[in-house]
Amino acid sequence: QSVLTQPPSVSGAPGQRVTISCTGSSSNIGANYDVHWYQQLPGTAPKLLIYGNDNRPSGVPDRFSGAKSGTSASLAITGLQAEDEADYYCQSYDSSLGVFGGGTKLTVL
Amino acid sequence: QVQLVQSGAEVKKPGASVKVSCKASGYTFTTYGIDWVRQAPGQGLEWMGWISTYNGNRNYAQKLQGRVTMTTDTSTRTAYMELRSLRSDDTAVYYCARRSTSGDYDIWGQGTMVTVSS
Repeated sequence: QSVLTQPPSVSGAPGQRVTISCTGSSSNIGANYDVHWYQQLPGTAPKLLIYGNDNRPSGVPDRFSGAKSGTSASLAITGLQAEDEADYYCQSYDSSLGVFGGGTKLTVL
Repeated sequence: QVQLVQSGAEVKKPGASVKVSCKASGYTFTTYGIDWVRQAPGQGLEWMGWISTYNGNRNYAQKLQGRVTMTTDTSTRTAYMELRSLRSDDTAVYYCARRSTSGDYDIWGQGTMVTVSS
């Protein structure tokens, strides 16, 4: 049982927009901790996708965007591409301890 | 370039200990903390703990308290994670990650597979 809740799976056709939610509580996201997002391709280490709720590291396409409100956050991917098929994880802190969402598998139809 | 390089795969028997290393290069080691994250086969990411490379302060996940120790050697720019009294459910890929000033993990090691089996 993860501290942050994500849907196990989402899917979309190429070119479409999908969103992945990350729901926390008043002790983590709601306590003003930032939310960060990672993309993990099969057999590889996670890669930072969004930091500080809504910032993209250099090299990450602007098709990826993040938002945070209250005790939840979301990751949006527009113009879906086949290469976006991966697992996505949100991450934050709870009483200074790290916490992750359970992960969401994105399937590009 | 900035990177974290981890030690190789390990196979251990139940009850044994394992120590995984994570060598940093390309940046000032003591500026950023190191977190350890593990991933059991087919499962999600699990945060294990954090160590300050500046002063050695640590935070561990509650479920691992008493079995895990994280250390650093600033002379070799290397972080270590030791896990004791291994069980089969400790079988996982273990990652080290650099914690940026924003709290995200901007650099990851390549992962170390630890298999616990009799």
